[in-house]
Amino acid sequence: GEDVEQSLFLSVREGDSSVINCTYTDSSSTYLYWYKQEPGAGLQLLTYIFSNMDMKQDQRLTVLLNKKDKHLSLRIADTQTGDSAIYFCAESIRGGKLIFGQGTELSVKP
Amino acid sequence: EADIYQTPRYLVIGTGKKITLECSQTMGHDKMYWYQQDPGMELHLIHYSYGVNSTEKGDLSSESTVSRIRTEHFPLTLESARPSHTSQYLCASSEWNSPAGANTGELFFGEGSRLTVL
Repeated sequence: GEDVEQSLFLSVREGDSSVINCTYTDSSSTYLYWYKQEPGAGLQLLTYIFSNMDMKQDQRLTVLLNKKDKHLSLRIADTQTGDSAIYFCAESIRGGKLIFGQGTELSVKP
Repeated sequence: EADIYQTPRYLVIGTGKKITLECSQTMGHDKMYWYQQDPGMELHLIHYSYGVNSTEKGDLSSESTVSRIRTEHFPLTLESARPSHTSQYLCASSEWNSPAGANTGELFFGEGSRLTVL
């Protein structure tokens, strides 16, 4: 069945770059997404990438997609303490449903 | 900013009580979803709907039920709550994917309802 895998924790220092990795299984996914969840809140879409793209950049965020290896990554440049949150990778499957990874908890130390 | 609302945000109740978690969206979205988020953070799809009078069970079996009588409203009900139902429940909505595929399938999430059953 469909599955999305992420590492659970990442700790970086303020000002460094953060890279969160994700692997997925459904090669027919049209879009792949990165969502952010702050404590006690719902999920907010950070960015998405269409499956025929290799890279997408949006200010401090860079998404890389390796479709052959089914690997997605999110790079946050100049990471700030306000970036501390849980980041979820998700793939779209048939019927428009999204399958989410376990979430990566990003901790940014001053 | 997403216009999707969940109530209550927090609920603590005793075993055996009936509860309904409310979810409403004002974006006119056809698709709505309920996800259960366990303490380990993973989200599991428990119910979804493609429109009025359409409800389907998700990937994770759940004793809860849902209804979709109006486009904007997708309540979730537990007839007899148990401690194993303690979790965060997240409601989401998205636009219908037209044949032209004009939209990205983005899900808009509510703030969540944190349920604790004693």
